[in-house]
Amino acid sequence: GESVGLHLPTLSVQEGDNSIINCAYSNSASDYFIWYKQESGKGPQFIIDIRSNMDKRQGQRVTVLLNKTVKHLSLQIAATQPGDSAVYFCAEMRGYSTLTFGKGTMLLVSP
Amino acid sequence: NAGVTQTPKFRVLKTGQSMTLLCAQDMNHEYMYWYRQDPGMGLRLIHYSVGEGTTAKGEVPDGYNVSRLKKQNFLLGLESAAPSQTSVYFCASAPGSGSSYNEQFFGPGTRLTVL
Repeated sequence: GESVGLHLPTLSVQEGDNSIINCAYSNSASDYFIWYKQESGKGPQFIIDIRSNMDKRQGQRVTVLLNKTVKHLSLQIAATQPGDSAVYFCAEMRGYSTLTFGKGTMLLVSP
Repeated sequence: NAGVTQTPKFRVLKTGQSMTLLCAQDMNHEYMYWYRQDPGMGLRLIHYSVGEGTTAKGEVPDGYNVSRLKKQNFLLGLESAAPSQTSVYFCASAPGSGSSYNEQFFGPGTRLTVL
């Protein structure tokens, strides 16, 4: 069954705002948690990952937070741009880098 | 460097027909994967391979078979297509070792409709 899920199906923000996309997971044995971005008609694109023994990792304009106590993962996008509009998936990684995906959150950025 | 490519991009089948989807990668990756994505859903793993000549079942393997005869290719077969297999199919590959061993690179997808 599904072990990774998202709280909000659609998130609408204004250009320049910060966006926060949330995800809950149920499997404590996962090695990594990963965020993917999927634009319409394309395959998912890797954004950032976080190892299960970390609680925060920063990339370019993105930050991932992991709270193992409540099994919660979030993706923060700073200064959101129209090009950030897409569906965002969290995924948990287990053996042989296999992924279990959540249902996705659509991020809509208006100018 | 084309990355991950998938053939065909679109296909319509009648119930009971068979077909093979081809995935090719030119990054010398060890690991390859097949996923399906249904409307409003995340991707679900069908089968995967951790090296030439090896395959393993994922979350939803029933009705599909796979083969990895060459390291760069991963084939997904449907022996007798059913309407429930209407979906978008994505192939992915990952290095399997090194600092980015777990980063999967996805192809553009194949949209399959079974009537």
